[in-house]
Amino acid sequence: DTGVSQNPRHKITKRGQNVTFRCDPISEHNRLYWYRQTLGQGPEFLTYFQNEAQLEKSRLLSDRFSAERPKGSFSTLEIQRTEQGDSAMYLCASSLGAGGSSYEQYFGPGTRLTVT
Amino acid sequence: AQRVTQPEKLLSVFKGAPVELKCNYSYSGSPELFWYVQYSRQRLQLLLRHISRESIKGFTADLNKGETSFHLKKPFAQEEDSAMYYCALTRREYGNKLVFGAGTILRVKS
Repeated sequence: DTGVSQNPRHKITKRGQNVTFRCDPISEHNRLYWYRQTLGQGPEFLTYFQNEAQLEKSRLLSDRFSAERPKGSFSTLEIQRTEQGDSAMYLCASSLGAGGSSYEQYFGPGTRLTVT
Repeated sequence: AQRVTQPEKLLSVFKGAPVELKCNYSYSGSPELFWYVQYSRQRLQLLLRHISRESIKGFTADLNKGETSFHLKKPFAQEEDSAMYYCALTRREYGNKLVFGAGTILRVKS
């Protein structure tokens, strides 16, 4: 297991197009988180899953954003009708659930989205 | 609201000098505090957390609840410490989602 992976690593799209990102967590981790990071800022929480259940969505996640984790393994984050303000680094992290080292989140390399 | 403040965007020190990266937080409960580090061209990784009270790579951080601070310290900086450092907090009751500060770039000069 090489850790959390994300694809693609870079995505350039035109305004108004839809994009989808994929995150593959560490295999035994049942929690999966999505964060967004813009230039000069720390990562901001978007949403998280416990297995296949999406337990919380940030107010940052507008109706154009949707995330899924259909079988409790990989997750996808889709942005519809992209806007220039969506340009950011999208980070995925995974962790074990309650108990043990439940707090440590392992991050992926991120997907950098540029909307032109 | 939960907030983490890192007042310095950039901290530049000479090799061998002491380092202190400041972090203040606002939170109504009892959060868990962390320091994450991102080296050049690498992913974000956990450096240390306050509950473990351990020293990693010579760094320590003490949680001061009275001052709501969690400053990161190292007595003698090394060039390989140059990186972006993020302070973050979470609470288990809130799903362990992390709230990050804006980060501080540490530059260690030879």
